[in-house]
Amino acid sequence: GNSVTQMEGPVTLSEEAFLTINCTYTATGYPSLFWYVQYPGEGLQLLLKATKADDKGSNKGFEATYRKETTSFHLEKGSVQVSDSAVYFCALINAGNNRKLIWGLGTSLAVNP
Amino acid sequence: ETGVTQSPTHLIKTRGQQVTLRCSSQSGHNTVSWYQQALGQGPQFIFQYYREEENGRGNFPPRFSGLQFPNYSSELNVNALELDDSALYLCASSLGSQGGEKLFFGSGTQLSVL
Repeated sequence: GNSVTQMEGPVTLSEEAFLTINCTYTATGYPSLFWYVQYPGEGLQLLLKATKADDKGSNKGFEATYRKETTSFHLEKGSVQVSDSAVYFCALINAGNNRKLIWGLGTSLAVNP
Repeated sequence: ETGVTQSPTHLIKTRGQQVTLRCSSQSGHNTVSWYQQALGQGPQFIFQYYREEENGRGNFPPRFSGLQFPNYSSELNVNALELDDSALYLCASSLGSQGGEKLFFGSGTQLSVL
């Protein structure tokens, strides 16, 4: 079946550090891949997406590249800020699962000044 | 602000009780999806309503039920509450049932079952 595996948190970084949050997936066919972010006390927001192999999604300094050969969609940011502290979810959607989102467990990020 | 509002924001119930959670979708959206997010977990799909009819259901028992109204707002009802039902319940609206990037989430209702 379809599944998403994220690296476990919490991740704690100092401001301006480099961030990587790993995400790998299992899916039949060609899923679309997403990163969502959940800031404290708020709902989930789409951060970025990629719909086909080798696509790179980017937003707010975050990037992720759809790697079909390694079934990965790792999230990266070159210089994190305190305001990036949140929980990050990797997710996929696939025509094979009636186009419903399948989510990872989430990775909590805390950025210290 | 996504335009999706959920009420109440917090709720405390006891085992065996029933609960109704409400969601107002973003203007122009005709589809509502409900998710359960337990502490430290990713959201789990409960069901989706498209134009007032259930349009897909996740792996939840029948005591989880829903409604969508002509104005596309929605309710999630849970009967015979169990301790494991304690979670954040998220509503997401969209135009059409395709999901993915076109979902707009509310801030959720935090349900505690004692």
